[in-house]
Amino acid sequence: QKEVEQNSGPLSVPEGAIASLNCTYSDRGSQSFFWYRQYSGKSPELIMFIYSNGDKEDGRFTAQLNKASQYVSLLIRDSQPSDSATYLCAGGNNNDMRFGAGTRLTVKP
Amino acid sequence: SAVISQKPSRDICQRGTSLTIQCQVDSQVTMMFWYRQQPGQSLTLIATANQGSEATYESGFVIDKFPISRPNLTFSTLTVSNMSPEDSSIYLCSVEVGPQPTQYFGPGTRLLVL
Repeated sequence: QKEVEQNSGPLSVPEGAIASLNCTYSDRGSQSFFWYRQYSGKSPELIMFIYSNGDKEDGRFTAQLNKASQYVSLLIRDSQPSDSATYLCAGGNNNDMRFGAGTRLTVKP
Repeated sequence: SAVISQKPSRDICQRGTSLTIQCQVDSQVTMMFWYRQQPGQSLTLIATANQGSEATYESGFVIDKFPISRPNLTFSTLTVSNMSPEDSSIYLCSVEVGPQPTQYFGPGTRLLVL
């Protein structure tokens, strides 16, 4: 069974802190990994994708991929209350993408 | 990326009736997907809809309950048939675009079955 697992949280961090979201996956053949942000009542919005081992930075967001450990993470620097949402991790290949259950993040002012 | 619209955005339906949800994309895409997301839960894939072929359903979902059409590369419909309160959920369509398999989601259809 191909699975993507996340800690459901909730994760609470103070404003300005670094939020660290983690994800593991079971399928070693997975090549592509994504982080989506989902605000309450809204649909998932793609915020980061990563295909290669290492770090990928985009503004306040850094995605980290370690294929040997089958581990993906998302760091949010200088967290803002507007970052409060559920973050979904996804991984897989063409036509076979698996989503984690999501981690609920709350950034407290 | 892709711009995706869904109709209706929300609906309240009676038990035993059917509802057809439409998904429209602003560009031609090969892969379209239909998901269900129940309150507080993650996404559950219902089926993959390819143009010109039968939809591929995930375990636990059947064509009689969730018939899907994919008449062209920009449009798909999902019908929720013979609805029961357990079908109350958000239904999302997504498309896969780009050289890497990146999925983008529509705004969703919020369904309440009484």
